[in-house]
Amino acid sequence: DGGITQSPKYLFRKEGQNVTLSCEQNLNHDAMYWYRQDPGQGLRLIYYSQIVNDFQKGDIAEGYSVSREKKESFPLTVTSAQKNPTAFYLCASSIGGGFGTDTQYFGPGTRLTVL
Amino acid sequence: AQTVTQSQPEMSVQEAETVTLSCTYDTSENNYYLFWYKQPPSRQMILVIRQEAYKQQNATENRFSVNFQKAAKSFSLKISDSQLGDTAMYFCASPGGGADGLTFGKGTHLIIQP
Repeated sequence: DGGITQSPKYLFRKEGQNVTLSCEQNLNHDAMYWYRQDPGQGLRLIYYSQIVNDFQKGDIAEGYSVSREKKESFPLTVTSAQKNPTAFYLCASSIGGGFGTDTQYFGPGTRLTVL
Repeated sequence: AQTVTQSQPEMSVQEAETVTLSCTYDTSENNYYLFWYKQPPSRQMILVIRQEAYKQQNATENRFSVNFQKAAKSFSLKISDSQLGDTAMYFCASPGGGADGLTFGKGTHLIIQP
């Protein structure tokens, strides 16, 4: 059963802690993305990766880090440098070679709350 | 920066009616797709329909269709015979310019009344 999985569904973090959100896909997609969604807002791009061992910053990369060691996996770390991390985080993937003509499919999301 | 504008924060219609959600976009790409995504209360983003900009024919998927006006950079979504399950946030998205992600509008909350 192909798809994108994200874990955990809910995550709580104390201030000053780093946390890592998991994203896995078995669609054999080359490209993967991380978005952040705040209440009343659309999605904003944090990081994206078109190929293993390579990734690029999106519009709001400050305070976040990623890795892409395997094609199937694109974990996102929210560091203590992210001043307002409470949000809903969505991972997506696409076949790749995008440049405006790629269709992205989304995972179910992770809700991160800073206590 | 690329922008996507959805001018209707919320809309409400009766079941079985037809409703149109509007969207305007601004992209510097020459060949691109445009997308409408649905986000129900579960918050999963679901692809509703996509339009290839080089195609003049408007895309259709069952009860969902688009009115694509390339020169005006307008991309509206029409839902026919609306159903209670159509209640959700709807987001319009276009290519994000230099990045390979998408730029999203702020969404329209669509409520289908019984």
